[in-house]
Amino acid sequence: SQQGEEDPQALSIQEGENATMNCSYKTSINNLQWYRQNSGRGLVHLILIRSNEREKHSGRLRVTLDTSKKSSSLLITASRAADTASYFCATGRKTGNQFYFGTGTSLTVIP
Amino acid sequence: DAGVTQSPTHLIKTRGQQVTLRCSPKSGHDTVSWYQQALGQGPQFIFQYYEEEERQRGNFPDRFSGHQFPNYSSELNVNALLLGDSALYLCASLRGIGLVAGVTQYFGPGTRLTVL
Repeated sequence: SQQGEEDPQALSIQEGENATMNCSYKTSINNLQWYRQNSGRGLVHLILIRSNEREKHSGRLRVTLDTSKKSSSLLITASRAADTASYFCATGRKTGNQFYFGTGTSLTVIP
Repeated sequence: DAGVTQSPTHLIKTRGQQVTLRCSPKSGHDTVSWYQQALGQGPQFIFQYYEEEERQRGNFPDRFSGHQFPNYSSELNVNALLLGDSALYLCASLRGIGLVAGVTQYFGPGTRLTVL
């Protein structure tokens, strides 16, 4: 079964707008990672946030983590058409480095 | 520095057949995980190999088996294929299964398996 659940399932915005997607999970985690997937191909790692961190930035990406609510959010600022993709959160447990993915958010950025 | 590579890119099989998928990890990585991604779904963890042994396993039947070679490359074998095995199979690698958790894993481009 999937560990995480992304919300919304689909998101359509205009180029230049910000996109926010959320991830909720069920069990205790060591870390949470966000990935991008274009057209059903391999996943590209975007950012990792550890359970003792609350916020991380990478370029136009901002990730927050609230372990008390078991949720995370990914903000993409100043979106571009090239950001069109599916975005997944993946949670890592304390041992083993196996990851549990959510169902993903499909983002469409309209030029 | 080559990333994670997988072969073949696409594969078509019929029900009941057996299939072998291959993965070469990123340089410097010694741990390989396999995931199954059905259409419209997120990847689901199949199993993970380290030091040529299966270390973790997800909720998949034993029709799914694997192997890791001394050079860290890996194979995924699926026997008695079912229509429901049609999916994108992704391989991911990382370094050091037993080290600090929270290591970034890198994914290959996947193998698209179609079972007719």
